[in-house]
Amino acid sequence: AQKVTQAQTEISVVEKEDVTLDCVYETRDTTYYLFWYKQPPSGELVFLIRRNSFDEQNEISGRYSWNFQKSTSSFNFTITASQVVDSAVYFCALSRQAGGTSYGKLTFGQGTILTVHP
Amino acid sequence: AAGVIQSPRHLIKEKRETATLKCYPIPRHDTVYWYQQGPGQDPQFLISFYEKMQSDKGSIPDRFSAQQFSDYHSELNMSSLELGDSALYFCASSFTGGGTDTQYFGPGTRLTVL
Repeated sequence: AQKVTQAQTEISVVEKEDVTLDCVYETRDTTYYLFWYKQPPSGELVFLIRRNSFDEQNEISGRYSWNFQKSTSSFNFTITASQVVDSAVYFCALSRQAGGTSYGKLTFGQGTILTVHP
Repeated sequence: AAGVIQSPRHLIKEKRETATLKCYPIPRHDTVYWYQQGPGQDPQFLISFYEKMQSDKGSIPDRFSAQQFSDYHSELNMSSLELGDSALYFCASSFTGGGTDTQYFGPGTRLTVL
């Protein structure tokens, strides 16, 4: 069975602070995919990043960066110089490689509520 | 770019009534997923369709059924509604092809059961 754990239920920071959201996953698969989604107060789920299990390179996109470490089964997300617009619920998710009876359904973590104060 | 379309966006029903949620995937996407998100919860997988055939099933109540039509749109039918069915229902689509691709989510349908 797959499992995703986001230990931080809520994080509160002041604008311009850096913040890291932790994600730890469990899977027996050798091939899998990790995702981060953002859910702002309006409710939609916005895709941020996908990483496959063979690619451990860190990625940076503007103020966002992701650190994937297979050795610790972690896929952490850092926001640099946070802004009020970053306030949202952030979900880490895991899926198997599509095929057979498992066409890539997502298993989500519990989510981390990030509040950025002005 | 075209996104996933869901209708209606909001739906209010009484207990024991029936509801139908619709989803129009991104053009050329071959897989549709349905998720249910209760208040303060993470989204839970309900069911998926690949090329119009059911491909996977999660914790979907027997009172719920879904299908994908020839034009690739999908409908989630919910009968004998209960108070606990009040939730945000998401549809997502992806181009699975030979592997796993990114799921893009629609804006969701907020169902309230009174």
